[in-house]
Amino acid sequence: AQKVTQAQTEISVVEKEDVTLDCVYETRDTTYYLFWYKQPPSGELVFLIRRNSFDEQNEISGRYSWNFQKSTSSFNFTITASQVVDSAVYFCALSALGDSNYQLIWGAGTKLIIKP
Amino acid sequence: DVKVTQSSRYLVKRTGEKVFLECVQDMDHENMFWYRQDPGLGLRLIYFSYDVKMKEKGDIPEGYSVSREKKERFSLILESASTNQTSMYLCASSLGDRASNQPQHFGDGTRLSIL
Repeated sequence: AQKVTQAQTEISVVEKEDVTLDCVYETRDTTYYLFWYKQPPSGELVFLIRRNSFDEQNEISGRYSWNFQKSTSSFNFTITASQVVDSAVYFCALSALGDSNYQLIWGAGTKLIIKP
Repeated sequence: DVKVTQSSRYLVKRTGEKVFLECVQDMDHENMFWYRQDPGLGLRLIYFSYDVKMKEKGDIPEGYSVSREKKERFSLILESASTNQTSMYLCASSLGDRASNQPQHFGDGTRLSIL
């Protein structure tokens, strides 16, 4: 079975703090893809990153970074020096052939609140 | 940039009405998707289409149908709306064939209320 777990339902931090959002996945496939999306209060889901299972290099994009660790089946997302505009719900998702034929398996989302 | 446009941000309909939600994408994507999003239940796939006139059921197709007559347009139809279909509906599109691992790009969503 394929599954994505985002154990943190809600996180609240003060602006400028660093924050890490956890994502743990399950799949038996050796080829799979992991995604992060951001959903601000306006509602539109915004694609942030895609990572394939053969690329374990960490990714950095400005204040955002992603840590992919196959050994722990995790794909965590860190925001450095958080800002109020980072407040949103963040979703992690998995795409694998498995039972879902590459349809996205979504985590439940983590609501991130950045206080000024 | 990919643009996915949903016809309405907010919609209020009555029980028993036939409701159409329209979605248009401008990037020639093969795949299009309809999700609904409910608090505590996350995103659930209703239907998707990997080509014109082709469709497949997602996780919760009951009470819904879809139409894809043109590549850029994917319509979700509530045949006889019920109050339990009050939800946020999200349309998405992606490149690639049926087994696509490409990112999905989303519209702004339609918040549908059935009274």
